[in-house]
Amino acid sequence: DGGITQSPKYLFRKEGQNVTLSCEQNLNHDAMYWYRQDPGQGLRLIYYSQIVNDFQKGDIAEGYSVSREKKESFPLTVTSAQKNPTAFYLCASEDRWNTEAFFGQGTRLTVV
Amino acid sequence: DAKTTQPPSMDCAEGRAANLPCNHSTISGNEYVYWYRQIHSQGPQYIIHGLKNNETNEMASLIITEDRKSSTLILPHATLRDTAVYYCIVRGNQGGKLIFGQGTELSVKP
Repeated sequence: DGGITQSPKYLFRKEGQNVTLSCEQNLNHDAMYWYRQDPGQGLRLIYYSQIVNDFQKGDIAEGYSVSREKKESFPLTVTSAQKNPTAFYLCASEDRWNTEAFFGQGTRLTVV
Repeated sequence: DAKTTQPPSMDCAEGRAANLPCNHSTISGNEYVYWYRQIHSQGPQYIIHGLKNNETNEMASLIITEDRKSSTLILPHATLRDTAVYYCIVRGNQGGKLIFGQGTELSVKP
């Protein structure tokens, strides 16, 4: 079945450690996105990529990094520079005609 | 991409139609209106999109005014499972980033 997969579902890390969240899609989509969602809030765009080997900062990119070496993969690294990393992280992908974005089930990151 | 305005919350009785409004007065000629919804603690789900004609699918209907400055998402027979945050987004149909606003929190009540 085609889809978009995020792993892990829950992640715990100690403060000061970098952590990488995985996002994989087999929908042959060109565009991929990373969002952060805090309790009771909407989705805020961290980074997006419209093609392999290219990506752009979203509204809240500070403290995060990404790579897009393969079309199907768009990992997000939460670095120690991110002041409040505890949040729900969502990954999405869509085709080049913006027909319909598909979202993963999310990763809930807790930093203690 | 054009900005959208939605009411923060709405209630609807189970079995009745839910009509969710969205204002997008600065929409340009090549921008589409998209609707997504997010059920608690899940990823958003695409519902429908349109340019200027009314659209209908198995989930909902989208009514866009003739001047395209506003639209309404209609869930014809709302169920308790339709309780979610509904997002109206305006963007072009090729490329560009996908930005979510605050949306409307729809509560369907028995």
